[in-house]
Amino acid sequence: AQKITQTQPGMFVQEKEAVTLDCTYDTSDQSYGLFWYKQPSSGEMIFLIYQGSYDEQNATEGRYSLNFQKARKSANLVISASQLGDSAMYFCAMREHNTGRRALTFGSGTRLQVQP
Amino acid sequence: GAVVSQHPSWVICKSGTSVKIECRSLDFQATTMFWYRQFPKQSLMLMATSNEGSKATYEQGVEKDKFLINHASLTLSTLTVTSAHPEDSSFYICSARTAPPVEQYFGPGTRLTVT
Repeated sequence: AQKITQTQPGMFVQEKEAVTLDCTYDTSDQSYGLFWYKQPSSGEMIFLIYQGSYDEQNATEGRYSLNFQKARKSANLVISASQLGDSAMYFCAMREHNTGRRALTFGSGTRLQVQP
Repeated sequence: GAVVSQHPSWVICKSGTSVKIECRSLDFQATTMFWYRQFPKQSLMLMATSNEGSKATYEQGVEKDKFLINHASLTLSTLTVTSAHPEDSSFYICSARTAPPVEQYFGPGTRLTVT
């Protein structure tokens, strides 16, 4: 079964508007972390935001916020006031804390294109 | 944030030759590093977990004799693709484990093309 599901292969957004990138996850672990990374065409993976499973408040980092709905097992990324430089691939990832697996598991990604 | 470098950033080699890719944590020590592979328009797939001073742990389906990993120091892990074939052409990305919550910082990646 897919651990991380990103159902939007591609998204378009107008510059200065907000956009939500969807991510759902599957785990039986009670303790886990959820991550979002941005990958521009250069290939580097840029860490954006982190949400711990026990965090009661949604994480925010500047224009990025994570809409964490634990019961639904969703961790959507919201980018406010989109900029042209936000055009990139976005990956949702998870790390389960009690499985002994220390690596991240990634979703298939969403390609975001910001239009002027 | 923590800085991870990779060298080379891109490499072209002939089929049958071996290629070594280095991953360095520049301003912190990493007892654990990870090697991922990414094919075009696909996600990152974990190949192996590299542990300083011990053998790497390979994911199912990854040939340990083909993808040799050495983690000789707390700041350096190397991935050697032995007897490379065109199907090994891919983007290889390493990450180094740091403190929670971020826990992993990624290198800039190495694009390998085997002709």
